[in-house]
Amino acid sequence: QVQLQESGPGLVKPSQTLSLTCTVSGGSISSGGYYWSWIRQHPGKGLEWIGYIYYSGSTYYNPSLKSRVTISVDTSKNQFSLKLSSVTAADTAVYYCARGTRLVGGYYFDYWGQGTLVTVSS
Amino acid sequence: QPVLTQPPSSSASPGESARLTCTLPSDINVGSYNIYWYQQKPGSPPRYLLYYYSDSDKGQGSGVPSRFSGSKDASANTGILLISGLQSEDEADYYCMIWPSNASGVFGGGTKLTVL
Repeated sequence: QVQLQESGPGLVKPSQTLSLTCTVSGGSISSGGYYWSWIRQHPGKGLEWIGYIYYSGSTYYNPSLKSRVTISVDTSKNQFSLKLSSVTAADTAVYYCARGTRLVGGYYFDYWGQGTLVTVSS
Repeated sequence: QPVLTQPPSSSASPGESARLTCTLPSDINVGSYNIYWYQQKPGSPPRYLLYYYSDSDKGQGSGVPSRFSGSKDASANTGILLISGLQSEDEADYYCMIWPSNASGVFGGGTKLTVL
């Protein structure tokens, strides 16, 4: 059973960089075939796809966040990470990591972490 | 990024069916896209339910009951999640999703389903 767990600071100051890590267990990122993803949910709001990374390092980002987002992978630790720069209060959200499976015509996220709340405040 | 429109709320009684809609903008043809559906209960991450492209191209998430099904209404440019035989445990938020560029995903705003 694949499990994902987010970790990182729960409080980030405005203009700083939000950094989160997702640790995957029960499966190897480097085995390929999956797209390791970040998704966020503003408090009381809907879901927003941030981006994903393949084990090879290929990335795809939401165009609305692309200028501030970096997703990286560390296959030796079976982890992937999110960095979001120049954060504002609008980046306060629950951040989820998830495993994406590709279909013709998109991807679905079949395993999710529990999510971690990141608050941007001074 | 296109906007997928979902009614904020819907309600139905136990045993009845709930029809949740996801309307695509007019410049995106629902017939050309997989519609993905997720269920989210309070305090939990979303759960993948299914995808629907056509009756011959659809898929159910692991462990998802068959009373959850997908369809499309081409005339309304809408994807549909049908939940039959509603149970109290189906009370949740439901989100649709598409991949309009095959590399950038978009969620709908979600529908809160109340089981009366």
